Amino acid sequence: GQNIDQPTEMTATEGAIVQINCTYQTSGFNGLFWYQQHAGEAPTFLSYNVLDGLEEKGRFSSFLSRSKGYSYLLLKELQMKDSASYLCAVPSSNTGKLIFGQGTTLQVKP
Amino acid sequence: DTEVTQTPKHLVMGMTNKKSLKCEQHMGHRAMYWYKQKAKKPPELMFVYSYEKLSINESVPSRFSPECPNSSLLNLHLHALQPEDSALYLCASSQTAGGLYEQYFGPGTRLTVT
Repeated sequence: GQNIDQPTEMTATEGAIVQINCTYQTSGFNGLFWYQQHAGEAPTFLSYNVLDGLEEKGRFSSFLSRSKGYSYLLLKELQMKDSASYLCAVPSSNTGKLIFGQGTTLQVKP
Repeated sequence: DTEVTQTPKHLVMGMTNKKSLKCEQHMGHRAMYWYKQKAKKPPELMFVYSYEKLSINESVPSRFSPECPNSSLLNLHLHALQPEDSALYLCASSQTAGGLYEQYFGPGTRLTVT
């Protein structure tokens, strides 16, 4: 089977750095996605990691360790608009459908 | 154009009504998806169309009926829904199915069943 774990809620301060962790268990591995979803809006794609290491995109970076079944999303220079839910997702090796974690709700405070 | 559009944005329907949700993309994507999302939960896959053929049905009740008229359009026909079907219905598309490409989501239809 497949299982994805991420913290339910996190709080951080504007201007700070926050790391959102995701651990997964899959029978096969075809990469890991991070999506951002603001309340009442659609998820938007942030990153896709298929090889080990860190991928940086502006203020957002995503890290993957396949041997540890672990990924994190790093948000730097936090802004109020970063308050959102962050979803970790892996494709099922059998069907290719995306398996989502429960999402981490990040609240950025002034 | 990296946009997936959905209509209507909001829909209120009674349990005896028949309505349809519509989704459109012009990115040349060959996979399209319907998801249901309840508050504070992740999207829950309902259907996947690959090259206009239904490839995955996640044991969705028959009161939900998907249709893919062509490679750009995806419909979800609703009939005899229950109040617990009230949710945000999201459409998404990706280059192909199989999970290796990011999915682009539409803004969703907020459905309320009374």
